[in-house]
Amino acid sequence: DIQMTQSPSSLSASVGDRVTITCRASQSISSYLNWYQQKPGKAPKLLIYAASSLQSGVPSRFSGSGSGTDFTLTISSLQPEDFATYYCQQSYSTPAFGQGTRLEIK
Amino acid sequence: QVQLQESGPGLVKPSQTLSLTCTVSGGSISSGSYYWSWIRQPAGKGLEWIGRIYTSGSTNYNPSLKSRVTISVDTSKNQFSLKLSSVTAADTAVYYCAREVGIAAAGIWGQGTLVTVSS
Repeated sequence: DIQMTQSPSSLSASVGDRVTITCRASQSISSYLNWYQQKPGKAPKLLIYAASSLQSGVPSRFSGSGSGTDFTLTISSLQPEDFATYYCQQSYSTPAFGQGTRLEIK
Repeated sequence: QVQLQESGPGLVKPSQTLSLTCTVSGGSISSGSYYWSWIRQPAGKGLEWIGRIYTSGSTNYNPSLKSRVTISVDTSKNQFSLKLSSVTAADTAVYYCAREVGIAAAGIWGQGTLVTVSS
């Protein structure tokens, strides 16, 4: 099984900050990496697919990069609505999610 | 636009079979190159991918659940379904249905339904 490890597990930041979340795969997954945002009591929302492609309707302050084993999700300027939990997901083999990164208001 | 809605019992007894249905509205389940998937999330925990079915009927399952999972599609009703047998308390979770494109990118989700396994 391919294991996905996100860091940090939690993060405090302020509106306007630039934030980066990292996801590492236990083996190479090429660019088969997706990012989701989840708010309490809601279904996850797809932000980025194939490591760096922005899902339609997602603000351009979100971006993704990486390939192989190391990936990042960057939010260029945090907005109040961005405080949520973020998950990476590999789809190279049986799809699997990282453990999540909780982004909180400082 | 396409919307998904889960339905099914909210309470299942241990050792029984959990059965959920996802109804697709706003589009045909048979059109396009999509996978229709199930994902679950125990309270306060992360997401677990359960499996998916393609419009042709072919399926992929999480190996950790494969022996207990069946996903099927009923194109006449525009629905797909999940059956999970021999459930235990560890299967208590919010269950989501979703529409995936080829690389398991789930772009459309249902709202989720809580299933509790308890006697």
